[in-house]
Amino acid sequence: GAGVSQSPRYKVAKRGQDVALRCDPISGHVSLFWYQQALGQGPEFLTYFQNEAQLDKSGLPSDRFFAERPEGSVSTLKIQRTQQEDSAVYLCASSSQEQETQYFGPGTRLLVL
Amino acid sequence: DAKTTQPPSMDCAEGRAANLPCNHSTISGNEYVYWYRQIHSQGPQYIIHGLKNNETNEMASLIITEDRKSSTLILPHATLRDTAVYYCIVNPNYGQNFVFGPGTRLSVLP
Repeated sequence: GAGVSQSPRYKVAKRGQDVALRCDPISGHVSLFWYQQALGQGPEFLTYFQNEAQLDKSGLPSDRFFAERPEGSVSTLKIQRTQQEDSAVYLCASSSQEQETQYFGPGTRLLVL
Repeated sequence: DAKTTQPPSMDCAEGRAANLPCNHSTISGNEYVYWYRQIHSQGPQYIIHGLKNNETNEMASLIITEDRKSSTLILPHATLRDTAVYYCIVNPNYGQNFVFGPGTRLSVLP
């Protein structure tokens, strides 16, 4: 079946530009996670949704980062006024209610110039 | 901080078994051991997980010590396509975010 998809796969932004990254989780998956992965590092948690409710946003690095999942399926991670330190791969993962194994998408590679 | 420690890198000859160790001495009774791998430019791929019994699937075997303080991921016949960074994660199995360490970079050599 279809896995987690993310778009765009690559994004180049000028410093100060706003960007929006999309995640389509596996159909029916209740939980959705966003992670940020810097070059050469393991992924780091950003935020977590259960259905449309954002239950944990403790990993968001600043108030320039905002995530939403208004209908409990597709999620968007928005970064306002991008900075060079925002350059990273942004990963989305989803899991079902019965089985908490997280399935990851391919990621969006963001480069801020 | 990650609750696991792994060697930063390992080599394995193609066709041989790859045994990747992981220490998780502070693991709690309700925490599972998960293994993922990440091939260059891809998202992490789920491999296997377990609580206290050894587990096997089509990809790998997971051996967890009786005291649960360490585990070993076994790829029985490594191929060049198994070259990746392997992450060992401990996690309560109820919707908590994963805490990744730096993982082990496995290089399978021809």
